[in-house]
Amino acid sequence: QQPVQSPQAVILREGEDAVINCSSSKALYSVHWYRQKHGEAPIFLMILLKGGEQKGHDKISASFNEKKQQSSLYLTASQLSYSGTYFCGTESGRNQFYFGTGTSLTVIP
Amino acid sequence: EAGVAQSPRYKIIEKRQSVAFWCNPISGHATLYWYQQILGQGPKLLIQFQNNGVVDDSQLPKDRFSAERLKGVDSTLKIQPAKLEDSAVYLCASSFLGMDTEAFFGQGTRLTVV
Repeated sequence: QQPVQSPQAVILREGEDAVINCSSSKALYSVHWYRQKHGEAPIFLMILLKGGEQKGHDKISASFNEKKQQSSLYLTASQLSYSGTYFCGTESGRNQFYFGTGTSLTVIP
Repeated sequence: EAGVAQSPRYKIIEKRQSVAFWCNPISGHATLYWYQQILGQGPKLLIQFQNNGVVDDSQLPKDRFSAERLKGVDSTLKIQPAKLEDSAVYLCASSFLGMDTEAFFGQGTRLTVV
C-alpha cells in the first residue's frame, strides 16, 4: 500500500530541472508532497485532490493523474536549497494514508 | 506563531523499559498525528486524533504502544515495553482540520533502544 517513488536518488547541478514520480496501486483521493532535510522535520509543499489537479509553488509544481493513480513533482531551475529527501503521501480512503519510499535530491553548484 | 513542540528531543533506553513522548500542537489545530520514522524510510502514521477522539490507529502496535490526547490539545505517546526495532524518530504533527489541510511537523524525538 506504500506508494513507490522514482527515481530513488538524483543529483542535479544548480539551474537544472527534475521530475519525481509517485505511483500507487490504489485509487487515490489525494496526494501530499513534503521535503525533508537531514535531521529535520518534513516540510509541507502541497496537497493535490482528485480531479486532476495541478498546483504551483514558486518553481515547484505538481500534477495528479487520478486515472493512472500517479502524481509527479516538478522542480525547475533547481537551487541549492532544494536538496533533501522528497516524500509523497497518498490518501486512498478512510484510514489509508501512507508516505512513499522517498527520493533523495542533491543539488550541486 | 509557535510551531509544534515535542519533548524530549533524544531518549536512550534499554529494551523492555517504557518511554513516553509529549507533543503540544499548534494552537487551534484540531487534528494531531503521531508518526514513526525509521532511518532511511518515510514516516509511518501511527495514530490520528481529531480533537480528543481517535480517527485512525490502524498502524499502531496496540500491544505495546498507546496514545492519548486529553482535552483535545496536548498528546502523549507511550511505548511499554520497548523493543530494539522501536528505535526511530517519533514525529508529531498537527493540522487545522483533517488530512486535507497542511500538516506542520515538530522536530521529533529520536529514540534509541539498546
